[in-house]
Amino acid sequence: DAGITQSPRHKVTETGTPVTLRCHQTENHRYMYWYRQDPGHGLRLIHYSYGVKDTDKGEVSDGYSVSRSKTEDFLLTLESATSSQTSVYFCAISESRGGINEKLFFGSGTQLSVL
Amino acid sequence: ILNVEQSPQSLHVQEGDSTNFTCSFPSSNFYALHWYRWETAKSPEALFVMTLNGDEKKKGRISATLNTKEGYSYLYIKGSQPEDSATYLCARADSNYQLIWGAGTKLIIKP
Repeated sequence: DAGITQSPRHKVTETGTPVTLRCHQTENHRYMYWYRQDPGHGLRLIHYSYGVKDTDKGEVSDGYSVSRSKTEDFLLTLESATSSQTSVYFCAISESRGGINEKLFFGSGTQLSVL
Repeated sequence: ILNVEQSPQSLHVQEGDSTNFTCSFPSSNFYALHWYRWETAKSPEALFVMTLNGDEKKKGRISATLNTKEGYSYLYIKGSQPEDSATYLCARADSNYQLIWGAGTKLIIKP
């Protein structure tokens, strides 16, 4: 299994509070991604990173920010959590951008509930 | 953003039977098609990445085909086993490096 650790695995928080999710990899892959997965939807890209301090927005980036200060760590912050951000969040990594012609490796996911 | 459609949404199959399901996608600007298996409470795991029209990939009892001209891929499972129960996800990559995911087909194998 690829060395990807997400923390926490589960989180319950209140509306309006900030929340930070962490993704840690030991594979030294250049690209890291944050996705959210909601019932009836495919995985949707929130933000991705292509190197230390290099990040870009995905299709559902509003209300989220990211940081990557080290190759191995990619943080996702919900600046002021809302109920619509209740979801399962997956971190993924790849060697090439978007995993275009090679596979993505996923973490185990974080179940976030915003009450 | 162009949609990737998977059908059916869910599927019940008797153990030992073979089955298949479909991933449909826009054929323009196509670059690659990914298949992943996602078991409950686990990480999605890559099965195949295919890039060429007519590609066929096989991994044990699971195989996949790709038709980029008409925009579809089939995933086949031969002789279904209980451990094949999972959600199968496909994703299409385009030449702008966008990876767009389908909502998945949930496969349940009945013993």
